Amino acid sequence: NAGVTQTPKFQVLKTGQSMTLQCAQDMNHNSMYWYRQDPGMGLRLIYYSASEGTTDKGEVPNGYNVSRLNKREFSLRLESAAPSQTSVYFCASSERAPVNTEAFFGQGTRLTVV
Amino acid sequence: QKEVEQNSGPLSVPEGAIASLNCTYSDRGSQSFFWYRQYSGKSPELIMSIYSNGDKEDGRFTAQLNKASQYVSLLIRDSQPSDSATYLCAVTRNNNDMRFGAGTRLTVKP
Repeated sequence: NAGVTQTPKFQVLKTGQSMTLQCAQDMNHNSMYWYRQDPGMGLRLIYYSASEGTTDKGEVPNGYNVSRLNKREFSLRLESAAPSQTSVYFCASSERAPVNTEAFFGQGTRLTVV
Repeated sequence: QKEVEQNSGPLSVPEGAIASLNCTYSDRGSQSFFWYRQYSGKSPELIMSIYSNGDKEDGRFTAQLNKASQYVSLLIRDSQPSDSATYLCAVTRNNNDMRFGAGTRLTVKP
């Protein structure tokens, strides 16, 4: 059982480049999330998708876009990377039954923007 | 004001002692409450979930929820060096987003 799978694990970008972080879950969860984690700041919510077909902004959405491609997949796109986006990115999923259960996390993507 | 606030620590306790971690949240409509443990360089992993007022015990861990005070806590009894990690409080709000506190770094000294 793979759980939540993120790709890539590591990435170095130059300022201004674009990239998409991929996330897929095999637990049939309705809700999916993208977080970034910076030293001393815990996990900050970028975007989330409460169910297939819906996406909403979190705490720090500027500079990012998301796509909920289907129930399994939720991608995060950086259109023009900036050094301030250097961070560790986590994708997570959870069920809504009728309230959200625990979130399961991917292994993270360590992104460096130079 | 952040949605979820935790004492940033660090918190240091001797082996065998009780570690007490605290968390407050601002959205009174919040519905689900979680404590995660995160080792350096790893993903968060669930320690406890709690959905209703009162205490919930699981082995050496006890979570406490007081919705009137908007307060969640985690007690770790008989702390072990392997409990040394960052503990993250998470809250799911009524719009289904999940917010985290900044985390409390716990060190258990042998």
